Amino acid sequence: SQTIHQWPATLVQPVGSPLSLECTVEGTSNPNLYWYRQAAGRGLQLLFYSVGIGQISSEVPQNLSASRPQDRQFILSSKKLLLSDSGFYLCAWSVLAGPRSQYFGPGTRLLVL
Amino acid sequence: KQEVTQIPAALSVPEGENLVLNCSFTDSAIYNLQWFRQDPGKGLTSLLLIQSSQREQTSGRLNASLDKSSGRSTLYIAASQPGDSATYLCAVITDSWGKLQFGAGTQVVVTP
Repeated sequence: SQTIHQWPATLVQPVGSPLSLECTVEGTSNPNLYWYRQAAGRGLQLLFYSVGIGQISSEVPQNLSASRPQDRQFILSSKKLLLSDSGFYLCAWSVLAGPRSQYFGPGTRLLVL
Repeated sequence: KQEVTQIPAALSVPEGENLVLNCSFTDSAIYNLQWFRQDPGKGLTSLLLIQSSQREQTSGRLNASLDKSSGRSTLYIAASQPGDSATYLCAVITDSWGKLQFGAGTQVVVTP
């Protein structure tokens, strides 16, 4: 069966510091991968999606970037964090064929101080 | 631009009552619609996915309907239990890449 992992689970970072969040998927090949952010009092917003290694599409211009160095690894990064980057970051995967159900990881809670 | 709305924002019912959660979307040209459950501080759990060609989908006590022409979906949870307390999110799949557009969710509390 498929499993999706995210780490770290919780992160507290000062403003201006770098960020690296990692997501890995097991049990499937060539998944579509997605990063979402859930900010306090706001809904889930799609940040990036990837259909293959090195292929990244950005949905919202912002202080963040994403990379996909391996088929089942998706990384969310920032060079300098802003207060507004605080939130709950969720990684998800789906397959390109069929109904395209998305399956989510446990999330990373980021607090920027 | 697709907008997804969930009403009500919060709902409290006694155990045993049926739950009815509503979701509406502005653009009927959706690929599919997916319902999720989110417990506090946790990720999302997929409950049901309704393909755009389907009218409803069932799983156990859960039943979801879809009326694409009117831009509406309803999630029914029969005989609610305290363990059903969570936030329920509706999301439409907007294209073949599987991108999701979410509603703000309905927070459900089932009291014993």
